[in-house]
Amino acid sequence: SQQGEEDPQALSIQEGENATMNCSYKTSINNLQWYRQNSGRGLVHLILIRSNEREKHSGRLRVTLDTSKKSSSLLITASRAADTASYFCATDLNQGGKLIFGQGTELSVKP
Amino acid sequence: DAGITQSPRHKVTETGTPVTLRCHQTENHRYMYWYRQDPGHGLRLIHYSYGVKDTDKGEVSDGYSVSRSKTEDFLLTLESATSSQTSVYFCAISTETGETEAFFGQGTRLTVV
Repeated sequence: SQQGEEDPQALSIQEGENATMNCSYKTSINNLQWYRQNSGRGLVHLILIRSNEREKHSGRLRVTLDTSKKSSSLLITASRAADTASYFCATDLNQGGKLIFGQGTELSVKP
Repeated sequence: DAGITQSPRHKVTETGTPVTLRCHQTENHRYMYWYRQDPGHGLRLIHYSYGVKDTDKGEVSDGYSVSRSKTEDFLLTLESATSSQTSVYFCAISTETGETEAFFGQGTRLTVV
């Protein structure tokens, strides 16, 4: 199975609500990153959190990292219809550049 | 946007034929990656490169080979295409692992018939 496992696989919410996505991984990491993918497009980087950090914010995004549980969460506050996309976590395994992605969470924000 | 170009963007090929996908960057980034994206599997790493002529296998490397003879180009070759290799292929680049993000190309949709 893959290094990164995300849940839920799909999430549907109303505009204005918060969206939380979770990522679990198996091996030790150098950092964990979150990416967004709009339908039919490439991935775009959202935020990076290092293994010695516990929480990070960027605008409406909040990421937490718990290395003891090998898990991370991405919170999008006050969601908008434009946030509709797939979100992926990626782990840098500190193995000479290996960057492994999870299966993704498909977020749908209804206006 | 990072200068990263994938070619071709779409390709249909027959089973058993060789196929080469090209990733070209203008950023002089050290690391380059090839991923495939399939429904239910997210992105899976095929091969990656940490310098000219330096490559390593990813999670799903069987049936694929890569070459990087110049910093700017990373080629992915399917030696003998199979229907299971029908997928969307993404190239990505990054400067240094551990500290920075990866930038992605727009993807190549490959169909093997």
